[in-house]
Amino acid sequence: DAKTTQPTSMDCAEGRAANLPCNHSTISGNEYVYWYRQIHSQGPQYIIHGLKNNETNEMASLIITEDRKSSTLILPHATLRDTAVYYCIVSATSGSRLTFGEGTQLTVNP
Amino acid sequence: GAVVSQHPSRVICKSGTSVKIECRSLDFQATTMFWYRQFPKKSLMLMATSNEGSKATYEQGVEKDKFLINHASLTLSTLTVTSAHPEDSSFYICSASDWQGVDSPLHFGNGTRLTVT
Repeated sequence: DAKTTQPTSMDCAEGRAANLPCNHSTISGNEYVYWYRQIHSQGPQYIIHGLKNNETNEMASLIITEDRKSSTLILPHATLRDTAVYYCIVSATSGSRLTFGEGTQLTVNP
Repeated sequence: GAVVSQHPSRVICKSGTSVKIECRSLDFQATTMFWYRQFPKKSLMLMATSNEGSKATYEQGVEKDKFLINHASLTLSTLTVTSAHPEDSSFYICSASDWQGVDSPLHFGNGTRLTVT
């Protein structure tokens, strides 16, 4: 699986959009970009994933650049409960083993 | 959506005893489950892949005799930490995919915090 690079930490004001970047410059053509988050002392929670096109669900939006070398996870209206570590993972199939990097600690401030 | 349940959520045991952690897929069948461990302020580290009806596949550096994995049914995998020592204290997390498609995401349990005294 391709390696990803994320900022160590980010802050966001409550109610504002949180934009979390991820670089995956060595991504292969068949690899998806997955985003998970882990709230303190809980298991990771799946957020969203995509291959080429931008994706949106009830939790977030995923913007993937045309060259697929980077992506951005957008939480449109961040709440305090969105404070968590966000992991960007690249994998050809999520049903197989995933390698977690260090992720981005997002802190949403009141 | 797919739910993975772990039990217990917390366990404290004495050094030298064994502890069993259960991981269940509640509304789907999982031929494969994954076990991770996580130390404080660190990321998740994959320990092993649990395969229903066959032996588990362990990651390099993980002692298979120390961390026994059994995947006897399509909805249950167990991790037994044998002869636990304080250094085995950690957060253990399992995951599985409901394989709706090649890109189906992994679903994670809520983890088991093991403290060995």
